[in-house]
Amino acid sequence: DADVTQTPRNRITKTGKRIMLECSQTKGHDRMYWYRQDPGLGLRLIYYSFDVKDINKGEISDGYSVSRQAQAKFSLSLESAIPNQTALYFCATSDFNSDEQYFGPGTRLTVT
Amino acid sequence: EDQVTQSPEALRLQEGESSSLNCSYTVSGLRGLFWYRQDPGKGPEFLFTLYSAGEEKEKERLKATLTKKESFLHITAPKPEDSATYLCAVRQAKAGGTSYGKLTFGQGTILTVHP
Repeated sequence: DADVTQTPRNRITKTGKRIMLECSQTKGHDRMYWYRQDPGLGLRLIYYSFDVKDINKGEISDGYSVSRQAQAKFSLSLESAIPNQTALYFCATSDFNSDEQYFGPGTRLTVT
Repeated sequence: EDQVTQSPEALRLQEGESSSLNCSYTVSGLRGLFWYRQDPGKGPEFLFTLYSAGEEKEKERLKATLTKKESFLHITAPKPEDSATYLCAVRQAKAGGTSYGKLTFGQGTILTVHP
């Protein structure tokens, strides 16, 4: 089984809808991250969490919120989806004493 | 502002034709430079971390090197299975306390190796 899983893998939604992307990990890592990837823009950090009670905004957090339900679970919500949130979304994890990040398989989100 | 620029945007090689990918960066206090491989439809896969100028790391046909301004990913005698997008990222030194050192990614180089 994959160490970092994301659900759903693909999602098409309409403008104004609320959606949630979920991430689970079995690596036992404390740190979890949400990124989005757009063609020509690379990966950009949305939110990150160093433990269940520590959640921080990344460089592009507007329009997004997160919840760290447990050490192993980190979800990303779009309260009111808009078309420019169409992108690939990746969850990642890392150990507290390591710089290596391990990425999930991604969720392709399309907002129409 | 931290910047990471990768070149070329795309590279096509014949199997066995060695080459290099470039990652140029500007960052206030380098905490580490990272190389990832990303296959289509998948998340990035960690390859290397380099921390100081002069450092080198190798893995199979890949070797990463670091200077004060750039990093190179050398691919020796590539095979078709090396085809992927290669991402470079840099982390700046933490501002203080337990704050997270920002990770800035480049746009990637798409490598295609033809048999």
